[in-house]
Amino acid sequence: GESVGLHLPTLSVQEGDNSIINCAYSNSASDYFIWYKQESGKGPQFIIDIRSNMDKRQGQRVTVLLNKTVKHLSLQIAATQPGDSAVYFCAEKYNNFNKFYFGSGTKLNVKP
Amino acid sequence: GAGVSQSPSNKVTEKGKDVELRCDPISGHTALYWYRQSLGQGLEFLIYFQGNSAPDKSGLPSDRFSAERTGGSVSTLTIQRTQQEDSAVYLCASSLDHRSSYNEQFFGPGTRLTVL
Repeated sequence: GESVGLHLPTLSVQEGDNSIINCAYSNSASDYFIWYKQESGKGPQFIIDIRSNMDKRQGQRVTVLLNKTVKHLSLQIAATQPGDSAVYFCAEKYNNFNKFYFGSGTKLNVKP
Repeated sequence: GAGVSQSPSNKVTEKGKDVELRCDPISGHTALYWYRQSLGQGLEFLIYFQGNSAPDKSGLPSDRFSAERTGGSVSTLTIQRTQQEDSAVYLCASSLDHRSSYNEQFFGPGTRLTVL
């Protein structure tokens, strides 16, 4: 499959600041994207998703932005907390199959 | 159960031995996935089961890897003649139904495999 990659492998932010994690994808046919959070020793946990017919979707303290023109996905976390420290993955799906392609992840460190 | 469960949580084996990893998906989920995650890396797709359809085995790295899903529920991933490069966390996920294009995958905690 085509690659899903991340611009920043590690991101350090101060508690209370906003965090932005970026993801580039290469398949313009991708129609569904998910952001996952993975804490140490645990499996990935769903955070938020977005379909390709949307540009923005908001959850609780999180917002996902999709720019199909440049094939870019971002996850914004408002008022970052120590509990947000984890590795964040973006994943894309295409070809109407339920097979997802994952990026290599960005580690978010929240400093108290 | 409430979520996807996997067993064992940790497995240490000697090079050349066979191992079996088990996944219990969420009840009612018809789709089941296996992924491999090496240290500090992303998730590598291995195999995908959907109902009674033939599985998508396109991600299996070699013929030493195989998987079964019995009765549309529990799945076993088998690695024969394990090699040190097989050391990784093996993650299982399940989702409701592939016929809907948008289905969240729920992940288990993973099995950490160490091949000595």
